[in-house]
Amino acid sequence: EDQVTQSPEALRLQEGESSSLNCSYTVSGLRGLFWYRQDPGKGPEFLFTLYSAGEEKEKERLKATLTKKESFLHITAPKPEDSATYLCAVSRSGNTGKLIFGQGTTLQVKP
Amino acid sequence: DGGITQSPKYLFRKEGQNVTLSCEQNLNHDAMYWYRQDPGQGLRLIYYSQIVNDFQKGDIAEGYSVSREKKESFPLTVTSAQKNPTAFYLCASRASDRGSTDTQYFGPGTRLTVL
Repeated sequence: EDQVTQSPEALRLQEGESSSLNCSYTVSGLRGLFWYRQDPGKGPEFLFTLYSAGEEKEKERLKATLTKKESFLHITAPKPEDSATYLCAVSRSGNTGKLIFGQGTTLQVKP
Repeated sequence: DGGITQSPKYLFRKEGQNVTLSCEQNLNHDAMYWYRQDPGQGLRLIYYSQIVNDFQKGDIAEGYSVSREKKESFPLTVTSAQKNPTAFYLCASRASDRGSTDTQYFGPGTRLTVL
């Protein structure tokens, strides 16, 4: 069965304290892995798509990496405005585009 | 501005009522999706449509219905058969032409509460 598991469920950091969020997955025929940011009461905002093991993408203080079993979202020197829930999702081969989501990691960055 | 709009932002339903949530996109995307989000759970797929006049059930379609009469619009009806409809509902769309990515873009959501 296709499954996505994110850890930790919640993470508290001090401003400037770098850390990583984990997304492990089991899926038949990975087509893509997606990271989104979601603020309370709002829709998810797209961050990154990764397609193959070894791929990396960066945006400001965020860097996403992908292996055959998991993805990491590295946050370097976070700021309070990085506080949000980060969602990971995967799509499998075929062209329906259906996404399977993890439960999310809620990040709080304290000044 | 191109994007996805959902209305209303908040919706209250009485027991036994059907309600319809609106989703409109001007991104010229072929595929559209409806998800439900509950606290502590990931997004779960309700229905999706890859082309006008066609749609498929997702993982939790019972108690919901959809239509896709126009490319831009994908309304979701929450029927009285849905036993626990209080949740945050999210609509998304995706380009599905050759060479496009699988990336889905989301609307702002509708929070439905049963009174």
